[in-house]
Amino acid sequence: DIVLTQSPATLSLSPGDRATLTCRASQSVGSSLAWYQQKPGQAPRLLIFDASGRATDIPARFSGGGSGTDFTLTISSLEPDDFAVYYCQQRRRFPLTFGGGTKVEIK
Amino acid sequence: EVQLLESGGGLVQPGGSLRLSCAASGFMFEGYVISWVRQAPGKGLEWVAGISGSGSTSYYGDSVQGRFTVARDNSRNTVSLQMDSLRAEDTAVYYCAKDREVGIWDYFESWGRGTLVTVSS
Repeated sequence: DIVLTQSPATLSLSPGDRATLTCRASQSVGSSLAWYQQKPGQAPRLLIFDASGRATDIPARFSGGGSGTDFTLTISSLEPDDFAVYYCQQRRRFPLTFGGGTKVEIK
Repeated sequence: EVQLLESGGGLVQPGGSLRLSCAASGFMFEGYVISWVRQAPGKGLEWVAGISGSGSTSYYGDSVQGRFTVARDNSRNTVSLQMDSLRAEDTAVYYCAKDREVGIWDYFESWGRGTLVTVSS
């Protein structure tokens, strides 16, 4: 199985800060990686697909990059609504797998 | 508007069975892969199973292979998850999710609100 390792586990930042989250795959997934945002009590929301494509209605402050085994999600300037947990997910091979998540919290 | 509504969750004893359903509307149901994704209390996301639009192909996560069965009824726009030999570690909120693109195994674009399954004696 492809293991996705996210870092850091927690990111403490202030509104307006730049956030950089990383996801490392145990083997190459090409560009077959997505990022999701999840808030407490809610279902996840798709942010980024195919490593760098922004999903429908996702603001431009969210961007994704990387390929192969190393990926990043960048939030250029944190809004209050962005404090949440973020997960990466690969679709290169079955079983589909998620990373363990990064919590972005208010400093 | 895409809508996914899960049902069938509840309390079940270890070793028991439960059947979840996902009722879908607002899109061309038979064209899309539907998956089940679960989240144990306070934990991360885990993909459980997925089924192709025609129902001819399905895949499972390692932890449920051989115990869970996913199926769909395209005449009723529903997907089911039959869960047998349940264990305490199957306790989670179960979401059904629709893929982003028609006809391929893609990412999870639309999600239901989830249904809670608790396995406990």
